[in-house]
Amino acid sequence: AQTVTQSQPEMSVQEAETVTLSCTYDTSESDYYLFWYKQPPSRQMILVIRQEAYKQQNATENRFSVNFQKAAKSFSLKISDSQLGDAAMYFCAYRRQGGSEKLVFGKGTKLTVNP
Amino acid sequence: NAGVTQTPKFRILKIGQSMTLQCTQDMNHNYMYWYRQDPGMGLKLIYYSVGAGITDKGEVPNGYNVSRSTTEDFPLRLELAAPSQTSVYFCASSLSARIVTGELFFGEGSRLTVL
Repeated sequence: AQTVTQSQPEMSVQEAETVTLSCTYDTSESDYYLFWYKQPPSRQMILVIRQEAYKQQNATENRFSVNFQKAAKSFSLKISDSQLGDAAMYFCAYRRQGGSEKLVFGKGTKLTVNP
Repeated sequence: NAGVTQTPKFRILKIGQSMTLQCTQDMNHNYMYWYRQDPGMGLKLIYYSVGAGITDKGEVPNGYNVSRSTTEDFPLRLELAAPSQTSVYFCASSLSARIVTGELFFGEGSRLTVL
């Protein structure tokens, strides 16, 4: 079964600084997606960024970028120029193509942004 | 489009009562999911459906039932509520990851307390 591990239960960053959240996963599949979701106190799950496993190029979305290392099964999220609104729980998630295609989540990292 | 709509947003149940969490989506997605999120944890899959008339168990199905009579609706039934079912429940939907980018769209969550 696929598993997703986030080894940092909590992280903090100063406003305007850069922070990296770690994620590793385990799978025997070759075709899959990886995601970072943000969950603010409002509980809404918000997609931050996605990465297709077949793409070598790391995904970027404005201040958010990933470091995808397929062989190492590592998928870290870098947040640049951190803002107070970035404070939230961040979940790494894996989804295979085909079959149930269920999303498997890590336990999350709570990010605090200090002014 | 409304996206994924869950009702109710909050509910308090007594032990042994039953209830149904409603979920509907207007995006013509064939895949639908129910997750639960316990405090400080990631999301765990309860049940999922790959299309109308097809449902299957996830990681934590005990104490729950689902049905999928239409593409739009995927209700979650709690029978004989227990304190262990106190949680936040999320419904999600998507198209197949083989077709598009694999993103799941989430409802706003339903907070259930069993006393």
